[in-house]
Amino acid sequence: DAKTTQPPSMDCAEGRAANLPCNHSTISGNEYVYWYRQIHSQGPQYIIHGLKNNETNEMASLIITEDRKSSTLILPHATLRDTAVYYCIVRVERYGGSQGNLIFGKGTKLSVKP
Amino acid sequence: GAGVSQSPSNKVTEKGKDVELRCDPISGHTALYWYRQSLGQGLEFLIYFQGNSAPDKSGLPSDRFSAERTGGSVSTLTIQRTQQEDSAVYLCASSPRTSWGSYEQYFGPGTRLTVT
Repeated sequence: DAKTTQPPSMDCAEGRAANLPCNHSTISGNEYVYWYRQIHSQGPQYIIHGLKNNETNEMASLIITEDRKSSTLILPHATLRDTAVYYCIVRVERYGGSQGNLIFGKGTKLSVKP
Repeated sequence: GAGVSQSPSNKVTEKGKDVELRCDPISGHTALYWYRQSLGQGLEFLIYFQGNSAPDKSGLPSDRFSAERTGGSVSTLTIQRTQQEDSAVYLCASSPRTSWGSYEQYFGPGTRLTVT
């Protein structure tokens, strides 16, 4: 799976949009971009994923550049509860889901401040 | 609906004792993973179950670790003769899909194991 690069930390004011970048310049055509987060002392939480098109769900939006070498996770109105470490992962999906274990890098520690 | 549940939430055991950790995946999810996470560290993959296929045990750190998944649902991770380095949060995740395409993993709250 392709390597990802994320800033180690970011701050965001409560109520503002949080934009978390991720570089994945070696991504290949069949690799998806996934975002997870881990709030302190909790298990990781799936947020969103995409292949080529931008995606939106109730939690966040995912913007993938046209060349797919980078992406941005957007939390439109960050709250204090969004303070967490955010992980960007690039993965190939295979039939039967084999070898699908997640490998987290160091992620971005997002601190939402009042 | 109900998420992934794990029990116990905390377990303190003496070195050399055996422990069993339980995971109840989301109903209908065919894939189940066990990970562990030491303090301040990333996820360490342990074992993966997919339907009726043989499990992928490639992440188990030693033969003291084993896992079962009965009836394609509940899973138990067993650690025999626990050591202090086994202290960690043990996380279970389940995933819904088996065919081509993307799928996400849903994690339980974890079991915090402390070996004294």
